[in-house]
This record gives sequence, C-alpha cells and structure tokens, in this order.
Amino acid sequence: DGGITQSPKYLFRKEGQNVTLSCEQNLNHDAMYWYRQDPGQGLRLIYYSQIVNDFQKGDIAEGYSVSREKKESFPLTVTSAQKNPTAFYLCASSIVTGGQETQYFGPGTRLLVL
Amino acid sequence: GNSVTQMEGPVTLSEEAFLTINCTYTATGYPSLFWYVQYPGEGLQLLLKATKADDKGSNKGFEATYRKETTSFHLEKGSVQVSDSAVYFCAPPLNDYKLSFGAGTTVTVRA
Repeated sequence: DGGITQSPKYLFRKEGQNVTLSCEQNLNHDAMYWYRQDPGQGLRLIYYSQIVNDFQKGDIAEGYSVSREKKESFPLTVTSAQKNPTAFYLCASSIVTGGQETQYFGPGTRLLVL
Repeated sequence: GNSVTQMEGPVTLSEEAFLTINCTYTATGYPSLFWYVQYPGEGLQLLLKATKADDKGSNKGFEATYRKETTSFHLEKGSVQVSDSAVYFCAPPLNDYKLSFGAGTTVTVRA
C-alpha cells in the first residue's frame, strides 16, 4: 500500500533535548511538508521541501530543523530552542496532476514534554 | 494571493440532520479546491476536491460544488451519522506554499 508513515505515534521530550520525528512516503511525491497543530487551532506550516536537498522555512520554523537527503524521507528535528514543543505534528506530501497540486497527510506524531 | 474563509464552529447536530459548512475563497484564476477531514487523534484525510469551476466533488455522502459566481465551496451532507463527528478543513490552493490551514470547523453529531 502506498502512503505516508510517521513515527513514533507518541514522543516524549525532556528539557533541553533534541528529538527527531520521522516521515516517510512511498508515493513518489516530490514535495513534502511539516505542520504543527495545537488544540483548537489550525495547522501552521513549519517547513516544506519541493525537491531533494532543498527546503524552505514556513511560518513557524524557529526551533525546528529538517533535512531532505532522500525523496521519500523528510525528518523533522525539534531542537531545545523550541520552548513550547508540545503539539501534534503532521507530515504531508503532494503531487501535481493537471497543473493542480493535491496534498496528502500522514497519521501524525504527538510530542509531549516531560 | 489565494485564501479561504471558513465558517467557524463548533457545530452540534443530531443524527440524520442536514450539515452545511460554508467556505468562500479568494483566488487568482480557478485553482483546485479541497475539503479535508480530521477524525479524533488522526491526521487529515482528503475528503473531496473540485478541480474547476462548476465541478462537484463528492465522497462518503458529502458534496461540495465549486461556484465561481459566489466564490464558494460549501460542504454539505444530507443525513449525518455519529461517525461524521470530526474537524473539517476547507483548504486553500497550494500555489502559495506559505499559506496555512485555518482552524477548521468542529462537527459533533449526537445519537
């Protein structure tokens, strides 16, 4: 089955610790995205990548870092500089058909601070 | 740039009631429009989309028609079920990567 996988489902971070969230897709999509969702709020774009070895900051990139060494993988690192990391993190990828882009989402990772 | 304005919730309905969630858009040209659904504790799922004006997207009993004269893409379902309880997002076109989704509309269906 093709799709987007995120792991782990739950992740716990200690103060001052960096943690990495995994996102893998086997859909052969070029573009990938990371969003943050807080309770009762919409999704906010953290980073996106349109092609391998290239990525751009979204609206709330501070305290986060990404890499895109392979087309199918787009890991997100939440650094100790992110002072309020508790949230639901969603990875997405997209494909362009007929000149229009459609985005598909993974199941999410919930990050909690100990 | 392109943007959407979505009806705020929460919306609470009884089973078998009619559901409408309003969404209007501002766009250059006629880009694709999307509705996503998020069930509790899960990621977003693409519910339906329409790729051009006057197109109707449909899935799982939900429908939305892309109306250029009113710049709207309202989501409708004639008879909701408890399992339709979720957050619904009207999504902006993706030709501006810096756009973000809004808060969505939380729908609760009571038995």
